[in-house]
Amino acid sequence: TQLLEQSPQFLSIQEGENLTVYCNSSSVFSSLQWYRQEPGEGPVLLVTVVTGGEVKKLKRLTFQFGDARKDSSLHITAAQPGDTGLYLCAGARNQFYFGTGTSLTVIP
Amino acid sequence: GAGVSQSPRYKVAKRGQDVALRCDPISGHVSLFWYQQALGQGPEFLTYFQNEAQLDKSGLPSDRFFAERPEGSVSTLKIQRTQQEDSAVYLCASSLALWGDEQFFGPGTRLTVL
Repeated sequence: TQLLEQSPQFLSIQEGENLTVYCNSSSVFSSLQWYRQEPGEGPVLLVTVVTGGEVKKLKRLTFQFGDARKDSSLHITAAQPGDTGLYLCAGARNQFYFGTGTSLTVIP
Repeated sequence: GAGVSQSPRYKVAKRGQDVALRCDPISGHVSLFWYQQALGQGPEFLTYFQNEAQLDKSGLPSDRFFAERPEGSVSTLKIQRTQQEDSAVYLCASSLALWGDEQFFGPGTRLTVL
């Protein structure tokens, strides 16, 4: 069972555009993580957010954890073709849950 | 090695065959996880080991799935009498210590059941 719903499921944008990916749950998580996965590889951790309301920046990526610790967002500024991949949020409760995934394609 | 390795990378099985998927975690990592991932979707948790102890196997979809980590390092995921619905990528991850630490993933084994 996947407790974490991501939207949109697919996103295709032009290089230079901005985008936001959402990760929502009805459950509270003590922390959420964001991963990026490229074809034929395993997911790679981008960031962990722990505190409700927390904002973390990683170059052109901005991650936010909702105040109630039930949701998170990932915003990418000026997307580049190298950002193409499957973006996954994840969190731990009684087991480790991954989100449904957002497949991003950035067109040069 | 420097990262998590999995073998084989690709496996084709006929329906009804047994398969064994191997995971070599990062040396010294206590925790080991197995996930099943359908194309374009997020991984789904299968099972979790802390050293040699299997602490959670609630995600295993049926009793045809069995995992072990007898010496607390290498792990094997075995699927008996494979079915077409077992076709997926099987990911292994390890983490240094406890539940919730950063997980380092292997490249996965793509299983196709014909």
